[in-house]
This record gives sequence, structure tokens and C-alpha cells, in this order.
Amino acid sequence: SQQGEEDPQALSIQEGENATMNCSYKTSINNLQWYRQNSGRGLVHLILIRSNEREKHSGRLRVTLDTSKKSSSLLITASRAADTASYFCAIPRIAGGGADGLTFGKGTHLIIQP
Amino acid sequence: DTAVSQTPKYLVTQMGNDKSIKCEQNLGHDTMYWYKQDSKKFLKIMFSYNNKELIINETVPNRFSPKSPDKAHLNLHINSLELGDSAVYFCASSQSSSEQYFGPGTRLTVT
Repeated sequence: SQQGEEDPQALSIQEGENATMNCSYKTSINNLQWYRQNSGRGLVHLILIRSNEREKHSGRLRVTLDTSKKSSSLLITASRAADTASYFCAIPRIAGGGADGLTFGKGTHLIIQP
Repeated sequence: DTAVSQTPKYLVTQMGNDKSIKCEQNLGHDTMYWYKQDSKKFLKIMFSYNNKELIINETVPNRFSPKSPDKAHLNLHINSLELGDSAVYFCASSQSSSEQYFGPGTRLTVT
């Protein structure tokens, strides 16, 4: 299976701490994406990182990509209660992308304790 | 304005019935998708349409039939519903291989 696998499956931290989630995959990719899903809602795109990029930032989010290890990490700094959600990494089903859809990992459920 | 909308949000029905879920996107995207999320939150693609043409049809029973009347709409019709069809179904759209925009989901419960 080429699907991404997140680690850990669940993470509980105190508000204000940093949260790190990891994703591993098996195939060649042209990009890797991270999504957030709040309980009972649809997925929201967070960051897309291309295979020729090593790091990308968006606000309190920092994503790294190591194509040699086929892994990515998502760091959320200074966590807030509103960050409580499930986080998924996703890769295009086919390396060339296009209209081929995404393969999602099983997600990391993040709980921020107030 | 809602970018990707789905109706209904909740659908409770009995085994054997036929039901439809509708999806519309106002983003001007060329590609639309249907995903199924099971009780363990695992998301799997079912179908992909690009400019009204079927691109992906994953190993989905042929009781599931997508229909795209135009680029902005992708509906999902399900015949002879089974207990195992209970899940949350998400519609999404994208432009080429960029990020996908998801609808709010339709929670289908088959009793």
C-alpha cells in the first residue's frame, strides 16, 4: 500500500506546548499534503509541500519533508484548544498527480488540554 | 459562500433502499471526488471525475453510481443499500494536483 501512515495515532498535550506528528509513505511523490478534520466536519487543507522542498511554514505550522526517508512531519507550535482535531497526511495516488485523488493516512488525533 | 456543499448532511435509511447524495462546488475546479470515511476515520477514494469524465473508479460495488451533469456537480446514487454502506461520504474538488477542498460530509446510516 502506498498510503501514508501517521504517528502517533493519538497525542494529548497541554495548551501552549508544541505538537509533532509524523507521516511515512512508500512510493515516489510529487507533493505531500496535510489536512485537519475537526469532529463532525469535513477536511481542511493545511499545507502542501512539493517533493523539491524540504520545509514549509504557515503561521504556527511547520512541515518538513525528507524524500530519502519517505517521511514528513507536521509541527504545531504554541498549541491552542482550537487545534484539537484529527490530522491527516495525504499523497497523490499517482506520482504525476492530476485527477487521481489522494491516499490518506489513518490520522493522528490531537487533544489539547486547557 | 460555501465552496463545496453536500446534501443531505444526515441520511438514515433502511437496507434495500436507494438513495442519492448531491454535491456542488462553486470554485470552478475541473475535478471532483467522492471519498468514504469509515467508523475508524479511514478515508478512501471512491470516484474521481475530471470535466464530467470518470477518471477513477476504485473497487466500489456497482451499486454505487456517480453522475456528473456538469463540471460543478457530482452526485452519488446508491442502490440496494447495505449495512456496510454506513459511513460518512465526502465530496471534494480540486484543480489539477493541488490541494483538495472538501464538503462537510454526509453521514449515512443504514438500519
